[in-house]
Amino acid sequence: GDSVTQMEGPVTLSEEAFLTINCTYTATGYPSLFWYVQYPGEGLQLLLKATKADDKGSNKGFEATYRKETTSFHLEKGSVQVSDSAVYFCSSKTDSWGKLQFGAGTQVVVTP
Amino acid sequence: GAVVSQHPSWVICKSGTSVKIECRSLDFQATTMFWYRQFPKQSLMLMATSNEGSKATYEQGVEKDKFLINHASLTLSTLTVTSAHPEDSSFYICSANPGQGASYEQYFGPGTRLTVT
Repeated sequence: GDSVTQMEGPVTLSEEAFLTINCTYTATGYPSLFWYVQYPGEGLQLLLKATKADDKGSNKGFEATYRKETTSFHLEKGSVQVSDSAVYFCSSKTDSWGKLQFGAGTQVVVTP
Repeated sequence: GAVVSQHPSWVICKSGTSVKIECRSLDFQATTMFWYRQFPKQSLMLMATSNEGSKATYEQGVEKDKFLINHASLTLSTLTVTSAHPEDSSFYICSANPGQGASYEQYFGPGTRLTVT
């Protein structure tokens, strides 16, 4: 079945460092791909998305490119801030009802 | 943007009692809503898919008689945890789709923290 695998955390970085969180997917069809962010004690917020191969999603300085050839959707940010500390979830969706497959989540801790 | 609310945001109940959690789409109609459960420092586990006007579809291993889901209107779905036990303590999150199809964004509620004592 469909699944999403992302790198384990926690990832600890200093402010202004470069962030990469790897994500790969398996799917029988052509999924839409998403990155969600969860701040402590809160629900999930959509960070960015891509619906077809070679699409690049971007938001708040974060970027991810839908790579069909490597079945990947890695999240990157060039210069992180303390406020980026959160848990990041990669997910895919192929189901016509909209069912999401989630990766395990990667906790990111940014220190001043 | 689309907003999904949950009520209550947190609840404490005693073992053996039932508790109802509401999920509302505030500015759009949602034919499909989803209920997730999240344990500390873990990913979201899909519990069930709720479709307006029909029975919910539960994921394997989720007790449908324990977790009652009702999707009475296009803007409201409820999750009732019946005869709650301490192991039901968790963070419950709902989400809603404004339309069908893989490209539609799913909007998440802020979650409900349930503690069973």
